[in-house]
Amino acid sequence: IQMAQSPSSLSASVGDRVTITCRTSQTISNYLNWYQQKPGKAPKLLIYAASTLQGGVPSRFSGSGSGTDFTLTISSLEPEDFATYFCQQSYNHPYTFGQGTKLEIK
Amino acid sequence: QVQLVESGGGVVQPGRSLRLSCAASGFTFSSFPMHWVRQAPGKGLEGVAVVSYDGSNQYYADSVKGRFTISRDNSKNTLYLQMNSLRAEDTAVYYCARDQSGNWNSFDAWGQGTMVTVSS
Repeated sequence: IQMAQSPSSLSASVGDRVTITCRTSQTISNYLNWYQQKPGKAPKLLIYAASTLQGGVPSRFSGSGSGTDFTLTISSLEPEDFATYFCQQSYNHPYTFGQGTKLEIK
Repeated sequence: QVQLVESGGGVVQPGRSLRLSCAASGFTFSSFPMHWVRQAPGKGLEGVAVVSYDGSNQYYADSVKGRFTISRDNSKNTLYLQMNSLRAEDTAVYYCARDQSGNWNSFDAWGQGTMVTVSS
């Protein structure tokens, strides 16, 4: 399953609302997960099942979508949110990741 | 707390072999499928291999099929990745990750990663 994540990079300011999209090459129901990765660190699970927040993740993060089109939204950026975000389909092996979106401070 | 600690990375010549280990603690290791995921320098994430909770089933990315073998020893709470016939394009940080299969197969725990560099 091919993943198309956009944009590849994004500049925003603290307090902004941002949206990242992920499109899959075939329908995956809601088997879509989002991860955050900071430089030199392992990825961290934010959202699974397209819209379910992993425990401990702030409520400013939200996810939506089903089938082939999905979005990750951060409602009001905090300084610690500047990182790279990856989507992942976990419907079929091999589980594949999007190319990543690097969120930078404007 | 859940902890995954990889080891075994290093610098290796093309064509040689290396075995990575991932020591798990803080959870019932034998209840979870486990994955190896790699990230080449400055690049994205690539799922390399997965093994079922009991070790009976494995799946590999096409890029490593026939060269890499994933296995686990539930008595030692350890995951392995045997990497043979290494190529320059295998250079990456290798992470082990726990698959919380009941929650849409998402990866809720990751190790810190171990760097593998394939170079002559």
